[in-house]
Amino acid sequence: AQSVTQLDSQVPVFEEAPVELRCNYSSSVSVYLFWYVQYPNQGLQLLLKYLSGSTLVKSINGFEAEFNKSQTSFHLRKPSVHISDTAEYFCAVRPDSWGKLQFGAGTQVVVTP
Amino acid sequence: GAGVSQTPSNKVTEKGKYVELRCDPISGHTALYWYRQSLGQGPEFLIYFQGTGAADDSGLPNDRFFAVRPEGSVSTLKIQRTERGDSAVYLCASSPTGTRDNEQFFGPGTRLTVL
Repeated sequence: AQSVTQLDSQVPVFEEAPVELRCNYSSSVSVYLFWYVQYPNQGLQLLLKYLSGSTLVKSINGFEAEFNKSQTSFHLRKPSVHISDTAEYFCAVRPDSWGKLQFGAGTQVVVTP
Repeated sequence: GAGVSQTPSNKVTEKGKYVELRCDPISGHTALYWYRQSLGQGPEFLIYFQGTGAADDSGLPNDRFFAVRPEGSVSTLKIQRTERGDSAVYLCASSPTGTRDNEQFFGPGTRLTVL
């Protein structure tokens, strides 16, 4: 079985400041890792994913996440946030042999001027 | 192209009633997933279809919940004898296949409220 822990339920941040959202997972098998974003009144969208290869993955809008196998973490970072980054962010894992995603509880990011 | 659509967007029902929630996946996607998102929580897996068959229904909470996908496209999630605890947003997702590296595309969800 797998579990996903997002350590912060809410992260307030000022515009143009950096942000880090923490995600730790536990699993008895190797997993694929994902970050999804849910903007207000919208559906879940894939932000970025780690499947294999380079442990640092990046999105088109400036987010990046690094897979750390020894620490079983997949933290999400952005060096400078915009107001439009206000959203809820979900970390998820997908085991090798199954199609389902297991999500963390989510981190609400609120960006203020 | 059209994304995943779900109907209705909102459903209010009374305790004990029967409800059906519909999901239209992206055309050609063989894998379809149902998740449930309760307030303040991340989505929780309910059931996964590969084609017409349920490949994994381990997330269905009890026998009041049932889902079908008779022609391998549209899926219906059915809840009998609804309870207040069933109130949540029900999400549907589809992917081209069920293999692990296929992205799941989510619909906007159906918000179910059981009074």
